[in-house]
Parts: sequence; structure tokens; C-alpha cells
Amino acid sequence: GAGVSQSPSNKVTEKGKDVELRCDPISGHTALYWYRQSLGQGLEFLIYFQGNSAPDKSGLPSDRFSAERTGGSVSTLTIQRTQQEDSAVYLCASSLGLAGGAYNEQFFGPGTRLTVL
Amino acid sequence: KNEVEQSPQNLTAQEGEFITINCSYSVGISALHWLQQHPGGGIVSLFMLSSGKKKHGRLIATINIQEKHSSLHITASHPRDSAVYICAVKPGHNDMRFGAGTRLTVKP
Repeated sequence: GAGVSQSPSNKVTEKGKDVELRCDPISGHTALYWYRQSLGQGLEFLIYFQGNSAPDKSGLPSDRFSAERTGGSVSTLTIQRTQQEDSAVYLCASSLGLAGGAYNEQFFGPGTRLTVL
Repeated sequence: KNEVEQSPQNLTAQEGEFITINCSYSVGISALHWLQQHPGGGIVSLFMLSSGKKKHGRLIATINIQEKHSSLHITASHPRDSAVYICAVKPGHNDMRFGAGTRLTVKP
């Protein structure tokens, strides 16, 4: 009965390095979302996965950002050549997906706090 | 202008007071969410609305689709209600658009 989990909880990296952030959604949830919350800013949508469909990448801020979802479950958000402006809390959420249309409640993970020095 | 506007940005109340947080949006939506973010950063979904009104304990959420407006009410507020409350709308099935949040502090 675990909720959405994310790892690591904190990540400090140097500018220019690549980082990978992991999200384990709730079992059985076909929809998975990545969001970003920069310091003092609101939440920002990044990418959405629904089952085996092509993901909605419309929120990714640059081509340095990419995400995968393997086997319809675990997702990895990768940021290449990190910049200081990438510092933020990266949140993952999952929901039941299209079974409930747009009306499915999203369950959020605890987030990964990324600091780029 | 943001697509989702919340007011007030900050709200301080005394324990026991009735609280209202407002959200106005400018896009067509399929659903509206109210989220709660505690000081530790964890986010909890409070309500998901497409019409009318929902109640859960001391929390009530209403939405007026025609006026593109939603309110979150907290009755008999308590210090543990202190958090940031975020309004989010879904223009379609995919992305969400978020308000900047309302920081609520309830003093004992």
C-alpha cells in the first residue's frame, strides 16, 4: 500500500553534470506526471505518461531534459549538462489514468530536491 | 496574466476562524484541483472538482464553471491547517496549470 516514492530525496551536483531522478508510482496507476517547483515559484508541469502512449513532453523546458517510463511503471527524469537554474524540487505524481478521464485524483511523491552548484 | 490566479497570496487567521481562498482561471477546463503543501514540501490532493461542491471534514470546495471561479473554505481553522494551498486546473487530460498558492498561517 505504498504511495508514490521518489529517489534520491536530495541531490547536489556540479554545473555541467548529468543527473537522473527516479519515480516509483502507485501500483496500477497508468498515468504518471513530472512537475518542477523552483524556489519561491509555483508548480510547473514537465511531462505526462499515459500507459504505452507517446508521452506529452510539452512542458519540458529544454532539450537537456528527457524522461522515460519503463514497463509502464518506474520513470526516470534525466537532466543533462545541469545548469544552476535547474535547481528546484522535482515532483512526481501518479493517477489511475484514462479509466477516469480527466477526473482522476493525482497522488504526489515527496519530491527530489536538486541543487546545482 | 497567469491563467490561474489565487487570492489572497498570504492569509493569517486566528484559530477557529472561517477561511476562504479564491481561485479564478481563464482557460476552459475539464477539472480543478485543490492541493495542500505542508512546510516539509509534501503535496496532498484535497479535492478534484468539475462542478458543484464537495465537502471533506472541515474543508469545502466549490466551483462555478460559468464564472471560472472556485473557492476553498476551511471551517473552525486550526494551526495544523497552516500550509500552502494551491489551485490547479486541467485544460485537457494531460497538463495542469497551477496557481501561485496561498500561504495560510493559523495562529493559536
